[in-house]
Amino acid sequence: DTGVSQDPRHKITKRGQNVTFRCDPISEHNRLYWYRQTLGQGPEFLTYFQNEAQLEKSRLLSDRFSAERPKGSFSTLEIQRTEQGDSAMYLCASSPPAGLETQYFGPGTRLLVL
Amino acid sequence: AQKITQTQPGMFVQEKEAVTLDCTYDTSDQSYGLFWYKQPSSGEMIFLIYQGSYDEQNATEGRYSLNFQKARKSANLVISASQLGDSAMYFCAIWRNFNKFYFGSGTKLNVKP
Repeated sequence: DTGVSQDPRHKITKRGQNVTFRCDPISEHNRLYWYRQTLGQGPEFLTYFQNEAQLEKSRLLSDRFSAERPKGSFSTLEIQRTEQGDSAMYLCASSPPAGLETQYFGPGTRLLVL
Repeated sequence: AQKITQTQPGMFVQEKEAVTLDCTYDTSDQSYGLFWYKQPSSGEMIFLIYQGSYDEQNATEGRYSLNFQKARKSANLVISASQLGDSAMYFCAIWRNFNKFYFGSGTKLNVKP
């Protein structure tokens, strides 16, 4: 039984570059979430997928951010034209079909924008 | 508006003693869920315990229990018999409006030997 996996675990990039993160949820989980966590804060909700449909997007998700879950399995989060303020931990979580709300988190991708 | 408040940025507890981490929340929803997660220095969020708004009994999971006081809108986490491995950040979260999770700012717990 594998948990949620994220790749890469760490990413250092220069300002203005594009980056893409991948999340593989627990296999039977149809719901997938992305969060951003900055130092000293709790995770902040970014977006939510149910199967392949993106049902919720936070106002935190500017036009430079895009997320996809093309086949309802893994998901990608892309940040275009990165800014130093994008430096954070990006967490992915998944949960099973409705009825059990517990979210199971991956190890996160730590992004540093220089 | 702040939906989850954790007023203790840092806490110390002696090994083998019990500790209570505070959490208050703000919602007008009738149906919601309250969660506690542990985040060690490695960064992964580990689910600890869940309490539904309609649950009349306080949730317990091993050494963790959730002191749920609905009228006061509080959901404090009690860790009994603290262990050195309990040193971590602890986050309270509320699930409401179907699929929206809101986290508090966390409490850093240090367990002293």
